[in-house]
Amino acid sequence: DIVMTQPPDSLAVSLGERATIHCKSSRTVLYRSNNKNYLAWYQQKPRQPPKLLISWASTRESGVPDRFSGSGSGTDFALTISSLQADDVAIYYCQQYYGSPPYTFGQGTKLEI
Amino acid sequence: QVVLVESGGGVVQPGTSLRLSCVASGFGFSDYIMEWVRQPPGKGLEWVSLISSDLSKRYYSDSVKGRFTISRDNFKNTVSLHMRNLRPDDTAMYFCARRVAGSDVWGQGTLVIVST
Repeated sequence: DIVMTQPPDSLAVSLGERATIHCKSSRTVLYRSNNKNYLAWYQQKPRQPPKLLISWASTRESGVPDRFSGSGSGTDFALTISSLQADDVAIYYCQQYYGSPPYTFGQGTKLEI
Repeated sequence: QVVLVESGGGVVQPGTSLRLSCVASGFGFSDYIMEWVRQPPGKGLEWVSLISSDLSKRYYSDSVKGRFTISRDNFKNTVSLHMRNLRPDDTAMYFCARRVAGSDVWGQGTLVIVST
């Protein structure tokens, strides 16, 4: 199974500053035939289900603010919030969906102000 | 409005069974892959199981393989998770979700507590 790692477990960033959350996979999630990375990012706030922010490593879902962006390829990925807002305080998870399941999640990064 | 609503959770004793259900509305259910994800209290997300749109493929995490069975009824717009031989470490909020690339629609979850 592909193991997803998100160092560190928590991150403190000031309002208005840039926040970058990292995710590393134990094997590539880049499918060379279509040049797509099978990597998604989710945001989860307390007592809510996760919300899909980004799929294919860098494609923002409809309605997600453009301060959220995804980058990376192969085994190393990042979610960047360009200017942190109070509403962005949450836990962020990466998930790979490469090939057949299991579609494993990272352990999550708690973003605080 | 695209909605998923889970039900069936509760408090059960170790070794017993439970069946979770998830009813979908607002989209063409039979066209989509569906899955279950769980989250133990205060912990991270764990992918559990997935079923293809045409029921031909089913997948499970190693932690539930042989104990849990996923199924769906495309006429009733329902996906289910039959859980057997439950253990204390199965205690979690169980979410059903629709998968496109990532999982773009989630229910609010149903809580399963396995305890004596």
